Amino acid sequence: AQSVTQPDIHITVSEGASLELRCNYSYGATPYLFWYVQSPGQGLQLLLKYFSGDTLVQGIKGFEAEFKRSQSSFNLRKPSVHWSDAAEYFCAVDVFGNEKLTFGTGTRLTIIP
Amino acid sequence: NAGVTQTPKFQVLKTGQSMTLQCAQDMNHEYMSWYRQDPGMGLRLIHYSVGAGITDQGEVPNGYNVSRSTTEDFPLRLLSAAPSQTSVYFCASSYSSYDSGNTIYFGEGSWLTVV
Repeated sequence: AQSVTQPDIHITVSEGASLELRCNYSYGATPYLFWYVQSPGQGLQLLLKYFSGDTLVQGIKGFEAEFKRSQSSFNLRKPSVHWSDAAEYFCAVDVFGNEKLTFGTGTRLTIIP
Repeated sequence: NAGVTQTPKFQVLKTGQSMTLQCAQDMNHEYMSWYRQDPGMGLRLIHYSVGAGITDQGEVPNGYNVSRSTTEDFPLRLLSAAPSQTSVYFCASSYSSYDSGNTIYFGEGSWLTVV
């Protein structure tokens, strides 16, 4: 079955440390790829997306993600996290370009001082 | 999340009651959709619409009804609420362009509890 996997349910990092959140998908073709962030009690905010072209995508809030076709991965990175980055992060794919998203189960990020 | 407005934000229902979650967007997007979010399961697609007068089922459509009479509005109806429908509901609208692919915007969510 087609799926999106975020293997880390919960990650804790120190403020100022680097961050990488993992995302893998199991589709034959290259889908559109997205990362969303959700703060507690809030909606989803688009961080970045991959459509085509350069496989390193820059997003808002200092985040970036790299699409690796050979690994079917779209990992999210940030060189130095801030306490305000504490939230839940969702990877999502649009397999057929039909604006229907399949989500991973999310990774909750905790930041410690 | 500018442009996608959901109401109400919080609602408590009794089992068997019906209600409608409202969703409106002012971005003139053709595509709108409803998702539900449950702990440990991410978001799952309930229903979607590719334009006024056109709707279709997503992954988890049972117990829900939708209609799309205008481009702006896409209400989600719970016909007879069940405790299993306790969830957070998100409405989304989106557009597609040749240059940038698909861009999907979400509302701020509606927290629904069925007792």
